[in-house]
Amino acid sequence: LAKTTQPISMDSYEGQEVNITCSHNNIATNDYITWYQQFPSQGPRFIIQGYKTKVTNEVASLFIPADRKSSTLSLPRVSLSDTAVYYCLFLLGSSNTGKLIFGQGTTLQVKP
Amino acid sequence: DVKVTQSSRYLVKRTGEKVFLECVQDMDHENMFWYRQDPGLGLRLIYFSYDVKMKEKGDIPEGYSVSREKKERFSLILESASTNQTSMYLCASTPPLAGGSYNEQFFGPGTRLTVL
Repeated sequence: LAKTTQPISMDSYEGQEVNITCSHNNIATNDYITWYQQFPSQGPRFIIQGYKTKVTNEVASLFIPADRKSSTLSLPRVSLSDTAVYYCLFLLGSSNTGKLIFGQGTTLQVKP
Repeated sequence: DVKVTQSSRYLVKRTGEKVFLECVQDMDHENMFWYRQDPGLGLRLIYFSYDVKMKEKGDIPEGYSVSREKKERFSLILESASTNQTSMYLCASTPPLAGGSYNEQFFGPGTRLTVL
C-alpha cells in the first residue's frame, strides 16, 4: 500500500531556512517528484520538480537521495508570505496505470 | 498563463440533489483531474481523464461520476449528494505526458461544496 509521510506542521521565523521532507516508498522508477504550495482559498501551485540529486530554482531547492524514497524541499530565508501548506506529489506504479499520490501536506507557519 | 476555471467557488446543496461541478481549461491540455480536499487527508483523486470521452477512476470514485464531452471541459457529477460529500473540490489539468509523468498540474481555485 502506498504511503507518504510529511510532518503535519512546522513553525519557523522570518529569514530562516526551512526543510520539509516527504517519504515516498514504492515511487515509480521513472517518475518525477513534485512539490506544490497552497494558500487558503486557492488551488495548489507548482513549486519545483526533480528526479534525483538536487534541483534549484528561484523559489526553492529540492534534494532527492539516490534511493529516491524521500525528498526534501528547502526554502531559503522564508518570509511571512511563505506561510502555506506544502504538498509532495509522485506517481505510484507505471505511467499508464499508476496512481497519483499527494502527501498529506505540511502546514508551514512563518512568524515575524 | 494556463487558466483553469471552476463554475462556482461556493455551493450549497441538499441531500439527494444531483450536483454538477464544471471545470474548464484554456490550454488545450489532454489530461484533466478531479480531487477532493479534506482536513487531515490532503488531496485525494476522484477521477481523471486523458482524452475526450475517456475516464479513469482515482482513489475514491464511489458516489461520483464524470463527463468529458469536449477537450476543455471536465464535469464532476454527484448523482445523489450526501453530507459526507461536503468538501473542497479541485480540478486540475496537465499537458501531454513527458517521460511518463503527470506531475506538473495546473489547478483551479476550487469549489467548496456543502451538502445539508
